[in-house]
Amino acid sequence: LAKTTQPISMDSYEGQEVNITCSHNNIATNDYITWYQQFPSQGPRFIIQGYKTKVTNEVASLFIPADRKSSTLSLPRVSLSDTAVYYCLVGDVLTGGGNKLTFGTGTQLKVEL
Amino acid sequence: EAGVAQSPRYKIIEKRQSVAFWCNPISGHATLYWYQQILGQGPKLLIQFQNNGVVDDSQLPKDRFSAERLKGVDSTLKIQPAKLEDSAVYLCASSLAAGPTLYGYTFGSGTRLTVV
Repeated sequence: LAKTTQPISMDSYEGQEVNITCSHNNIATNDYITWYQQFPSQGPRFIIQGYKTKVTNEVASLFIPADRKSSTLSLPRVSLSDTAVYYCLVGDVLTGGGNKLTFGTGTQLKVEL
Repeated sequence: EAGVAQSPRYKIIEKRQSVAFWCNPISGHATLYWYQQILGQGPKLLIQFQNNGVVDDSQLPKDRFSAERLKGVDSTLKIQPAKLEDSAVYLCASSLAAGPTLYGYTFGSGTRLTVV
């Protein structure tokens, strides 16, 4: 499984756009990039997933350059409720059997007024 | 749809005692996972079930931890005897297929275990 590297923490203010970059230099051809969000006392929650270029949903955007060695989660106009830990994971989502998610320590995002 | 249900929500036990956690995955989800999350760390996979069979238990401390998924639905994770370092949140997750899937896993809220 490809190892990922993320900043330990980030601070932002309400209304700003937040970009969290994840490095995954050893990503394999079949690997997808998945981001999870975790609030205190809750399990991680799926945010977004992508393979290449750009993916957007109602919550976030995911930017993946052509070499796929990194990815950036973009949260538009954050609010206090976006304060959470964000995890970047890389793995093969199309085949079964042992393709489990490996979580790193994640990025603690703190949003202030 | 109902989410992944876990119980109890909190548990405090003394070291060397035993404890069990229960998980009911989303209906129809074939794959069930147990994760251990120590404070300040990301979740670590303990065991993965596909229906009622074990797919991966390589990181499960088998001398004290055991898990079962009878009838391929709900699952129980047991620790006996517990150690202080077992204090953590135990998360259950499920997915429709065998791999991570294009829509990720769905996690429960977890059971917070404190061993004193």
